[in-house]
Amino acid sequence: KQEVTQIPAALSVPEGENLVLNCSFTDSAIYNLQWFRQDPGKGLTSLLLIQSSQREQTSGRLNASLDKSSGRSTLYIAASQPGDSATYLCLPGGSNYKLTFGKGTLLTVNP
Amino acid sequence: DGGITQSPKYLFRKEGQNVTLSCEQNLNHDAMYWYRQDPGQGLRLIYYSQIVNDFQKGDIAEGYSVSREKKESFPLTVTSAQKNPTAFYLCASSSGADTQYFGPGTRLTVL
Repeated sequence: KQEVTQIPAALSVPEGENLVLNCSFTDSAIYNLQWFRQDPGKGLTSLLLIQSSQREQTSGRLNASLDKSSGRSTLYIAASQPGDSATYLCLPGGSNYKLTFGKGTLLTVNP
Repeated sequence: DGGITQSPKYLFRKEGQNVTLSCEQNLNHDAMYWYRQDPGQGLRLIYYSQIVNDFQKGDIAEGYSVSREKKESFPLTVTSAQKNPTAFYLCASSSGADTQYFGPGTRLTVL
């Protein structure tokens, strides 16, 4: 069974900092890995999807990398803003639809 | 607009009652999912369906039931057998093992 760990569990930074969120997973037989953002009391918003054949994916100030063989993905946020405050979740995806989420990283960006 | 809708947004249940949560998508996705979210526990998979008239148990299916009679709809019933149903419920859909799209969620409270 896939196990997904996200480190750190919580992170508080001043506005403008660059930061890295980590996701590790035990079963490297994945097709892709997806990063989500969740605001309090809301559903999940997809940020980036990295296919297993890709090393990284970029969208604006966000960059996600994937090292499938070592079971790791990182989400890099450049020049953080208070609006980035949210919980960030990763989801390794495989041929089995029974997927496992990480517990997330709660990010607070202080003005 | 294409997307996933969930209703109601808030739901209150008396002990011993069954309640049904609605999930509808117009994205023409074959796969649909139900997750439960509790504070500090992340998202856990309740049921998933890869195609109409077929569904599979996730990690925490006890006390829940689903149906998939139409491609667009995947309702979740929380039965009286579910001992601790108070949680935030999220529905998602995907095209195969591709990006998952989430609805806004239903918050269920047992009175």
